[in-house]
Amino acid sequence: GIQVEQSPPDLILQEGANSTLRCNFSDSVNNLQWFHQNPWGQLINLFYIPSGTKQNGRLSATTVATERYSLLYISSSQTTDSGVYFCAVYRNSGNTPLVFGKGTRLSVIA
Amino acid sequence: DADVTQTPRNRITKTGKRIMLECSQTKGHDRMYWYRQDPGLGLQLIYYSFDVKDINKGEISDGYSVSRQAQAKFSLSLESAIPNQTALYFCATRRRGSRTQYFGPGTRLLVL
Repeated sequence: GIQVEQSPPDLILQEGANSTLRCNFSDSVNNLQWFHQNPWGQLINLFYIPSGTKQNGRLSATTVATERYSLLYISSSQTTDSGVYFCAVYRNSGNTPLVFGKGTRLSVIA
Repeated sequence: DADVTQTPRNRITKTGKRIMLECSQTKGHDRMYWYRQDPGLGLQLIYYSFDVKDINKGEISDGYSVSRQAQAKFSLSLESAIPNQTALYFCATRRRGSRTQYFGPGTRLLVL
């Protein structure tokens, strides 16, 4: 099946710093979602981004489907950004479910 | 997402017991999913359903069963719970034609 790899696995930032999280996938996809799992375990949709670039406040994401990767940018990080960030993809065929990466655990320190 | 609810939110049970986790949604979505998250790992798919009469196994269906009682309800059962089924369980929904999944708040299950 399709493989989804995220890097780095862990990241510690000082409040106010910027960061880039990466998601690589092994096969053609027709969707990619980024999620944030907060310290209470809740999964929050960040972006649906099969291609191109989207921005939402301090967060933005870029997916280059032809090169099989997506990037999540966090600018001016805040302690509330802490948690685990997951990317998940659908394969580019049929009604296949989402396949998740193992996530990047982000800790933002005041 | 408040439109997808899971009960119970936390559950402690003993090895060998049968338990049921329930998921309800008010989003009107036809597709529903059950995932499991082990500590420090991503989500793995247990079962999914495209409508009431269409149930499919995911990556890790052994030891689990599901029931889609109605479009809005999708239940997950552990027939005989074992300690390595201790995990965080998520239900999710998606509307046909949309590529965005919406997740419930999760159920923390501890099997002693």
